[in-house]
Amino acid sequence: QKEVEQNSGPLSVPEGAIASLNCTYSDRGSQSFFWYRQYSGKSPELIMFIYSNGDKEDGRFTAQLNKASQYVSLLIRDSQPSDSATYLCAVPAYNQGGKLIFGQGTELSVKP
Amino acid sequence: DVKVTQSSRYLVKRTGEKVFLECVQDMDHENMFWYRQDPGLGLRLIYFSYDVKMKEKGDIPEGYSVSREKKERFSLILESASTNQTSMYLCASSFASTVGEKLFFGSGTQLSVL
Repeated sequence: QKEVEQNSGPLSVPEGAIASLNCTYSDRGSQSFFWYRQYSGKSPELIMFIYSNGDKEDGRFTAQLNKASQYVSLLIRDSQPSDSATYLCAVPAYNQGGKLIFGQGTELSVKP
Repeated sequence: DVKVTQSSRYLVKRTGEKVFLECVQDMDHENMFWYRQDPGLGLRLIYFSYDVKMKEKGDIPEGYSVSREKKERFSLILESASTNQTSMYLCASSFASTVGEKLFFGSGTQLSVL
């Protein structure tokens, strides 16, 4: 089993819909979780991070964490064509001082 | 704002050349990283450093070396460039943490080896 798994997509949603991106991880000791957005030809940029079980909201973005199920998700409400990008989930590697393990990324396409 | 600066956005080199990719960060981060990114393979860690003069191999260190003589600068060296090293190279930095810290990326260097 990969340490961090995401559906590669592409995930296609209509403009204005909710996009739901999912990530599972294998290390039960993981304590922090990061979502990055990467536009084609650009570098990843951090959009959300979450440390505690439950939901964390920032504008149209909500990160949801369920440590018991080893599952973290990103919801994008009122999706816009400008949200079309690849979304990467990242989890710290155990006891490796800051190294993050990235999932393969989910490609999101928001259709006008 | 954190700034991670990579010296070149695009680079074209010939097979066998020695290639230096430079990265500088201005936030006094302890950790610095070099990744490469290829279509369908995601982000793969080449090397990382958690302190000056310290380095750790990542998942794909073969054919690469690194240098960290100053805290703010982390260099990636391709000793003898090969065509299979054509890729997007991304530098990143973060604070040291036992639970994981946010990574900040540079804008990337697209390297083509001919």
